[in-house]
Amino acid sequence: GENVEQHPSTLSVQEGDSAVIKCTYSDSASNYFPWYKQELGKRPQLIIDIRSNVGEKKDQRIAVTLNKTAKHFSLHITETQPEDSAVYFCAAEGNTGKLIFGQGTTLQVKP
Amino acid sequence: NAGVMQNPRHLVRRRGQEARLRCSPMKGHSHVYWYRQLPEEGLKFMVYLQKENIIDESGMPKERFSAEFPKEGPSILRIQQVVRGDSAAYFCASSPDGVRELFFGEGSRLTVL
Repeated sequence: GENVEQHPSTLSVQEGDSAVIKCTYSDSASNYFPWYKQELGKRPQLIIDIRSNVGEKKDQRIAVTLNKTAKHFSLHITETQPEDSAVYFCAAEGNTGKLIFGQGTTLQVKP
Repeated sequence: NAGVMQNPRHLVRRRGQEARLRCSPMKGHSHVYWYRQLPEEGLKFMVYLQKENIIDESGMPKERFSAEFPKEGPSILRIQQVVRGDSAAYFCASSPDGVRELFFGEGSRLTVL
């Protein structure tokens, strides 16, 4: 079946450090991989996405890498700030176009 | 363009009652998705609808749960004979044709007493 595994479940870093979240997916046909950020009590919002025709994408302090052969992708946040504290979800597009989400990573950035 | 609107934001039901959750997608969006989120857990896919059609309901329990997205009006997720395990946040998301990004609503938080 379609499945996305995400690690770690919690991550605590000092302000200014980098944070890395990793995901693996099961469906080799997936070709769209977004990342969503959800602040406490709020809606999930897209922060960055990557398609299978590229291996890396960067947007300011956020970057995502994709390894289609190994079926894994990662989110990298550099120079973390307290406002980066939130739950982050990776996702992979399923066979009917729906998104299959990982279990989420709670990121805490300590000032 | 208003965002995805969900109502009610909070709903309390007693065991055995029915819960109806509504979702109005963004203007011009014909694709609607429903997800369930338990406390400190991920977003579990339930159902994907496109105007009047159910595209994928593989994540929705076969009993007690149903969803619709009529030609006119909001999408509705209906839970009959609710049980305590149905307590969760239910998020609706929408997207327009040809766009993969999902735009989420603020969610409806169901509490079953």
